[in-house]
Amino acid sequence: AQSVTQLGSHVSVSEGALVLLRCNYSSSVPPYLFWYVQYPNQGLQLLLKYTTGATLVKGINGFEAEFKKSETSFHLTKPSAHMSDAAEYFCAVSQTIGFGNEKFTFGTGTRLTIIP
Amino acid sequence: NAGVMQNPRHLVRRRGQEARLRCSPMKGHSHVYWYRQLPEEGLKFMVYLQKENIIDESGMPKERFSAEFPKEGPSILRIQQVVRGDSAAYFCASSPDRSTDTQYFGPGTRLTVL
Repeated sequence: AQSVTQLGSHVSVSEGALVLLRCNYSSSVPPYLFWYVQYPNQGLQLLLKYTTGATLVKGINGFEAEFKKSETSFHLTKPSAHMSDAAEYFCAVSQTIGFGNEKFTFGTGTRLTIIP
Repeated sequence: NAGVMQNPRHLVRRRGQEARLRCSPMKGHSHVYWYRQLPEEGLKFMVYLQKENIIDESGMPKERFSAEFPKEGPSILRIQQVVRGDSAAYFCASSPDRSTDTQYFGPGTRLTVL
């Protein structure tokens, strides 16, 4: 079984400030972890993903996330928020191929608002 | 290389009508996943199909919902006798294999039931 918890359904930060969106997961086998962004009335765009290897993952638009196995976390950060970052962000977990559960389990999302 | 295509992008149905949602996977992709996003919620897995086979339908409602992925043509998610609670965004994703590492999402179909 796998699950994702996103702490904070709404997060507001000032333009230029640090963005921190929290994600904790549970998985009985080594996970794949993802962050997606969704702009209003649009589909999902992959920001970054962790599968294996380096635990600090860099993605598009200046975002990065760190896989911390001991904390079962995969928090998303960006050093300086931009107005264009305002969107809904989803954390997702899946199991590595071969364990028979390769589908995504998504968190409930965090709506990021940028204050001018 | 075109991405995952979904049509229609917006669909309006009255209660009791049928809704057909289409998903054309990326070229070379034979695995299709359907997800549903209810208002103010995350995406929930519905069904996973390979060509001509349903692999995992553990997320599909027991009644009124069906999915297929024929040998030729797009994958179809069919909802019979729609109710207001079916109003949601339906996304499909495709991949060349079972791994989520290679899944790509379509733009979604937004279904509104009046």
